[in-house]
Amino acid sequence: DGGITQSPKYLFRKEGQNVTLSCEQNLNHDAMYWYRQDPGQGLRLIYYSQIVNDFQKGDIAEGYSVSREKKESFPLTVTSAQKNPTAFYLCASSAGTGVSNQPQHFGDGTRLSIL
Amino acid sequence: GQNIDQPTEMTATEGAIVQINCTYQTSGFNGLFWYQQHAGEAPTFLSYNVLDGLEEKGRFSSFLSRSKGYSYLLLKELQMKDSASYLCAVRGFTGGGNKLTFGTGTQLKVEL
Repeated sequence: DGGITQSPKYLFRKEGQNVTLSCEQNLNHDAMYWYRQDPGQGLRLIYYSQIVNDFQKGDIAEGYSVSREKKESFPLTVTSAQKNPTAFYLCASSAGTGVSNQPQHFGDGTRLSIL
Repeated sequence: GQNIDQPTEMTATEGAIVQINCTYQTSGFNGLFWYQQHAGEAPTFLSYNVLDGLEEKGRFSSFLSRSKGYSYLLLKELQMKDSASYLCAVRGFTGGGNKLTFGTGTQLKVEL
């Protein structure tokens, strides 16, 4: 079954600690995205990648880092510089830029909390 | 930049019809998407509009007017399971491929 897998479902971070959220897709999509969702707010774009070995900052990239070494994988690291990391993190993927009507498909999310 | 407005909450009765509006101001326009999101779950794709007019998919329809910067999602024959947040998202000509800007979502509550 094709889809997007995010892990873990729940994650706790200690002060000063970096944590990494996993996102894997087997949809053969070129583009992948990371969003953050806070209560009462829409999805805000953290980082996105249109192709392997390339990625761009979204609207709220400070305190986060990503890598795109493989087409299937787009891990997100929440660094200690991110002072308010408690949120619901969603990973998405979509077909490449030449397929304009294709929607983004989302994983089930990771809920990150501070200990 | 992009700005998207949706009502925060709506309430409707089972079996009725509800219309959820979305207005947007963008530096460019290259399509509008509607997603459904149940609490604590992933958003799921409902519809896509890029040309003016109505797109119908079963109980769900979506309308777009590019000149007015306006879209709506119409849900017919409401069911209890339609209680969810409905997200409007716009893609602009930012050079970012399929990059979307999302509204804050409309929380729909369906009552008996």
